[in-house]
Amino acid sequence: GAVVSQHPSRVICKSGTSVKIECRSLDFQATTMFWYRQFPKQSLMLMATSNEGSKATYEQGVEKDKFLINHASLTLSTLTVTSAHPEDSSFYICSARGGTSEYNEQFFGPGTRLTVL
Amino acid sequence: AQSVTQPDIHITVSEGASLELRCNYSYGATPYLFWYVQSPGQGLQLLLKYFSGDTLVQGIKGFEAEFKRSQSSFNLRKPSVHWSDAAEYFCAVMGGGSYIPTFGRGTSLIVHP
Repeated sequence: GAVVSQHPSRVICKSGTSVKIECRSLDFQATTMFWYRQFPKQSLMLMATSNEGSKATYEQGVEKDKFLINHASLTLSTLTVTSAHPEDSSFYICSARGGTSEYNEQFFGPGTRLTVL
Repeated sequence: AQSVTQPDIHITVSEGASLELRCNYSYGATPYLFWYVQSPGQGLQLLLKYFSGDTLVQGIKGFEAEFKRSQSSFNLRKPSVHWSDAAEYFCAVMGGGSYIPTFGRGTSLIVHP
C-alpha cells in the first residue's frame, strides 16, 4: 500500500509555544488529507479535512485558530498547534486519500505524540 | 448519523486459538464497513472492507469479517491467532453522504503464548 509519513514522531514543548507537525504522502498524490486526534485507549476523533489548495474544513468543536492546517501541495499537509497547553497533549494522526473518488482508501501516518509541559 | 459500537475493550486469547472481535453499527441504509489494526505507536492499517456483494469479506493477515444486516454487525474473525496479532483493532462505518469513516473506540487484543 501507499506510504504516509509524519514528522516528528514525538515532540515535547513548553506551554505557550507552537508546534508544527508534517504529514507527507510518499508515493502518491493526496488530494485529501485528514487530521485526527487520539486520546489514550480511545478512538480517533476527526479534527479537520483538507483538500489541496483549499481551506481546511474543521469538525464542530475544533478551534481553527488553534489548530492551523495547511495543505499547500499534493504531498504535504501541516498541522500547527498554536500556543499549546497541557490539554493539547495527545496523539495526532494524519491520513491521506488520493484520486477523485471518496471511496478510495485512506492511508494513515504513524502518528505524532505531542506532550506539552 | 452513523455510529459504531465495539462492546469489548479488551480481548485475551491464547496463541493458536480462534478470535472474534465484535462490531455493531448504526446506520439506516447499507453502510460501508472497515476494520483497521493499530500496532503500538503506529498509524492504522486497513485489514478489510465491505462495500457491497459477498457478505463474507477476506482481508490481509488471515482475517475475515462477515456483514450481517439483520444484526447490524460486522464481526472480525481469525481462525488461529499469532502473537504478532496483538494490537488495537478499530471498526469503522461510512455512509449517509459522508465519505469519512466514523471509528469505534477500539478493542485491544492481548495474545498469551
